Amino acid sequence: SAVISQKPSRDICQRGTSLTIQCQVDSQVTMMFWYRQQPGQSLTLIATANQGSEATYESGFVIDKFPISRPNLTFSTLTVSNMSPEDSSIYLCSVVSGNNQPQHFGDGTRLSIL
Amino acid sequence: GDSVTQMEGPVTLSEEAFLTINCTYTATGYPSLFWYVQYPGEGLQLLLKATKADDKGSNKGFEATYRKETTSFHLEKGSVQVSDSAVYFCALTINQAGTALIFGKGTTLSVSS
Repeated sequence: SAVISQKPSRDICQRGTSLTIQCQVDSQVTMMFWYRQQPGQSLTLIATANQGSEATYESGFVIDKFPISRPNLTFSTLTVSNMSPEDSSIYLCSVVSGNNQPQHFGDGTRLSIL
Repeated sequence: GDSVTQMEGPVTLSEEAFLTINCTYTATGYPSLFWYVQYPGEGLQLLLKATKADDKGSNKGFEATYRKETTSFHLEKGSVQVSDSAVYFCALTINQAGTALIFGKGTTLSVSS
């Protein structure tokens, strides 16, 4: 399966700042997704990162708060903007390598906002 | 809408005990079903999957059978180890390219020696 590198692995940020999380895959993938896992909770899909076009956001998530880029088939970024303590979560990137292939996840970015 | 329901945790077992974690689903189409595991401080790893009715997924001594008649995908292991302590997530995706996963709430398993 694809090797997925997520950076940073963790960060502690100040309220009101923004952080960009990178997801790099060692091979071309068809789909990339971003999920959020709040403390002690399950995963919630933020958006599907579309190569060369705007991401597709799920209900409750907006582009101004979570801008996403996907310039090519191996790389995507998620920015968490104007952070507040409620944004403290694990953010995970996942990829699909082809039709009928399962999703594989990066190790996640553990974000704490003070 | 599509959804996944898992048994509430935590599940606490002694080493070598039998494990069952229940998972049922609701889906309008023909989903593929998955179990993911999250070890402390790590991301999610795919444990096993099944893509059609009566398929059995298996890996590392864990297994689950896709039961369409009961819309279930229960995870089982005959003899758990301390190293199996983790959070287990049942998930589904409608069998189309590019569909994101829908997760259950997760079940925490704690195995003691």
